[in-house]
Amino acid sequence: GAGVSQSPSNKVTEKGKDVELRCDPISGHTALYWYRQRLGQGLEFLIYFQGNSAPDKSGLPSDRFSAERTGESVSTLTIQRTQQEDSAVYLCASSLASVGGKAFFGQGTRLTVV
Amino acid sequence: AQSVTQLGSHVSVSEGALVLLRCNYSSSVPPYLFWYVQYPNQGLQLLLKYTSAATLVKGINGFEAEFKKSETSFHLTKPSAHMSDAAEYFCAVSSTFGNEKLTFGTGTRLTIIP
Repeated sequence: GAGVSQSPSNKVTEKGKDVELRCDPISGHTALYWYRQRLGQGLEFLIYFQGNSAPDKSGLPSDRFSAERTGESVSTLTIQRTQQEDSAVYLCASSLASVGGKAFFGQGTRLTVV
Repeated sequence: AQSVTQLGSHVSVSEGALVLLRCNYSSSVPPYLFWYVQYPNQGLQLLLKYTSAATLVKGINGFEAEFKKSETSFHLTKPSAHMSDAAEYFCAVSSTFGNEKLTFGTGTRLTIIP
């Protein structure tokens, strides 16, 4: 596609339920990032994929969070047993390469845990 | 390892006044540096980037940033603020060597006073 696509755009879930967020990067982009942005706060790094290398998971806040990416295609971010503090906008970005590469962001998924 | 510090989570300037948003970075290797902007209810977009070609970088909407190695800074400026500049601004750094991830600062929210 023309840009980074994220789905769903909005998700309301009950506390304790699992959610899965999807990111379709720009075709050919080897690098893919997930960030979280809580209301009124900055970007919080979650996870980074670069080609077939092992992902950098250093930003995942707990073992309830996990992400997968097959090759250079779609990525899914899964949050298990959601908590109210998980409410945030989850942003995905991709780039051709992280070395000087311009990152393109999706519009994000707004997750609300009630 | 690399990091970014943005001084001031909130900055307010009068319309027509100078805009100065501060960014200091830490990197063990020569960096690439970026400023991203997030307008209300929109996704992040690249404002400008430094990739060692020139220390003074011009971006969109009249913004520019100067790379100062001695000060490890990459401050964003605009001579005259416009109401439409109200947004959140993020500084980011990546390495010129290898596939280092893009690391963002926590952001600065710019408010323009009429």
